[in-house]
Amino acid sequence: ETGVTQSPTHLIKTRGQQVTLRCSSQSGHNTVSWYQQALGQGPQFIFQYYREEENGRGNFPPRFSGLQFPNYSSELNVNALELDDSALYLCASSPDRGSDTQYFGPGTRLTVL
Amino acid sequence: SQQGEEDPQALSIQEGENATMNCSYKTSINNLQWYRQNSGRGLVHLILIRSNEREKHSGRLRVTLDTSKKSSSLLITASRAADTASYFCATRGGNKLTFGTGTQLKVEL
Repeated sequence: ETGVTQSPTHLIKTRGQQVTLRCSSQSGHNTVSWYQQALGQGPQFIFQYYREEENGRGNFPPRFSGLQFPNYSSELNVNALELDDSALYLCASSPDRGSDTQYFGPGTRLTVL
Repeated sequence: SQQGEEDPQALSIQEGENATMNCSYKTSINNLQWYRQNSGRGLVHLILIRSNEREKHSGRLRVTLDTSKKSSSLLITASRAADTASYFCATRGGNKLTFGTGTQLKVEL
């Protein structure tokens, strides 16, 4: 176990809706990254938060947004859901933004109908 | 976009055999990592090899790195049914990990 938790485990939404996914990092980890993993693919970097500020973003549109809180929890919000947003969403925490290794949560499986 | 490719995409072996999977990457790296993913769940860090290292061992895992060919291999010796999973290589660029496409390993009894 990595000590990183995510909720919910599974989620079904319809196109156009909004969704919030939650992550609880390891205690003491000030950096959290979010990844999207489509079926049969490797994870793709969405963005990273360091000390509650966005610290880098991948090739994802602005309707993907995030928040990080002082209590080591964080959120991924996706607005105007599209069918292609169906994927496994993974959060990963690390002790610092320069850390080589990231500790992944079990993921949230999002299905958009 | 993916950093590189794992090869093979899928591998099926008998318990007790060795499993070898390969990874190619595109850019210069400081280190390369291997992760395991069970049944579409979270990724677990297995091993990290730095760019100045050529080989590294951890238990039944052996990783090699050839920076001139921009490739790495992961060898799992004496495989077990519990090793059945997807395996990904990842490189760190700035603040993000870039993953390959993964190798699905199935170890049969």
